[in-house]
Amino acid sequence: EIVMTQSPATLSVSPGERATLSCRASQSISNTLAWYQQKPGQAPRLLIYATSTRASGIPARFSGSRSGTEFTLTINSLQSEDFAVYYCQQSNVWPYTFGQGTKLDIK
Amino acid sequence: EVQLVQSGAEVKRAGESLRISCRGSAYDFSKYYISWLRQMPGKGLEWMGRVDPADSYSDTRPSLQGHFTISVDTSISTAYLQWSSLEASDTAIYFCARHLYYDAGNYFDYWGQGTLVTVSS
Repeated sequence: EIVMTQSPATLSVSPGERATLSCRASQSISNTLAWYQQKPGQAPRLLIYATSTRASGIPARFSGSRSGTEFTLTINSLQSEDFAVYYCQQSNVWPYTFGQGTKLDIK
Repeated sequence: EVQLVQSGAEVKRAGESLRISCRGSAYDFSKYYISWLRQMPGKGLEWMGRVDPADSYSDTRPSLQGHFTISVDTSISTAYLQWSSLEASDTAIYFCARHLYYDAGNYFDYWGQGTLVTVSS
């Protein structure tokens, strides 16, 4: 199965600044990558799918990109509600697999 | 508004059976796969398996195969996750999620609120 490796495990950023989260696939997954946000006690929320398409209702400050098997989630102008755990997920190869998560916390 | 509503928290003993549910509303339930995912205490997300409500076909993650069953009753827009004999290691929060199929990828666009299952040994 494909291993998704997220980095860093924890990222400390100040409100108003930019956060850059990475996710690397162990082999090619084409563009079949999604990003989810999870806050404590809540279900995950789909942010980005197909590498760079924002889900319904997701603000434009969230964007996704790809270089080979390296995927990036960028969050511009961080808001207080953005501090959470972020997961990437691939669906190019069955079974679907997730990264271990990046915790974004307030600096 | 599309919703997936899961059954409530459960406390069980090892060896007992359990079925938890996930009811969809405000969309055509038969047209979208439903997956079950788990989150063990303090850990990340793990995809367990999926079901196609159109024909009830299900498949599960190979490493977890045989330990649980995924089923669906389309007449009441409900998917199920069932165990015949729970183990302490089944303690987790279980989420159901609706599939979004786009450009050869499967993503999870709507999620249930989660069901906490606690299994004591």
